[in-house]
Amino acid sequence: SAVISQKPSRDICQRGTSLTIQCQVDSQVTMMFWYRQQPGQSLTLIATANQGSEATYESGFVIDKFPISRPNLTFSTLTVSNMSPEDSSIYLCSVEGGIASSYEQYFGPGTRLTVT
Amino acid sequence: GENVEQHPSTLSVQEGDSAVIKCTYSDSASNYFPWYKQELGKRPQLIIDIRSNVGEKKDQRIAVTLNKTAKHFSLHITETQPEDSAVYFCAAPYNYGQNFVFGPGTRLSVLP
Repeated sequence: SAVISQKPSRDICQRGTSLTIQCQVDSQVTMMFWYRQQPGQSLTLIATANQGSEATYESGFVIDKFPISRPNLTFSTLTVSNMSPEDSSIYLCSVEGGIASSYEQYFGPGTRLTVT
Repeated sequence: GENVEQHPSTLSVQEGDSAVIKCTYSDSASNYFPWYKQELGKRPQLIIDIRSNVGEKKDQRIAVTLNKTAKHFSLHITETQPEDSAVYFCAAPYNYGQNFVFGPGTRLSVLP
């Protein structure tokens, strides 16, 4: 499976500021996704990061709050904008395994965000 | 859209015993069902999956069974060990298989 890295691994931010999280994959992948995992909770899909076009957001998530970039097939960023304490979560990117293993998704190590 | 339920929410077993976690889904078109294990502070790891053209899949001590008619699938762990202690998530696809809905998770504790 692909090797996925995220930066930063954790951050503490003040309310009202923004944080951009980077996700890097060591091979080209078609599908990249961004998830949120609130403390003690399950994984919730924020959006699908589409290469060359706007991200596709799930219900309850909007581009103004979570702008996403996908400039190529190995990299994506998620920005958490105008943060509030409710945004404190782990943010994870994931990628689909590829043609030989379609549907399989693999996760990055996550970014633990605390908003004070 | 897809709805996934998972039971139990917590499970404690003695080392060496078996553990079973069950998930139900709502979309009859779903055809791929993964299970993830998440240890404390770590990323979710894909441990086993099953596609709708088979009823059971085994990998050493873990197995997954699928009942498409009843729309449920289960994770079975035999001869549990302390390192099996983690939170386990099931998932089911929607949007033509491109996206997943995750179950709420099961916290498994294996007691020595």
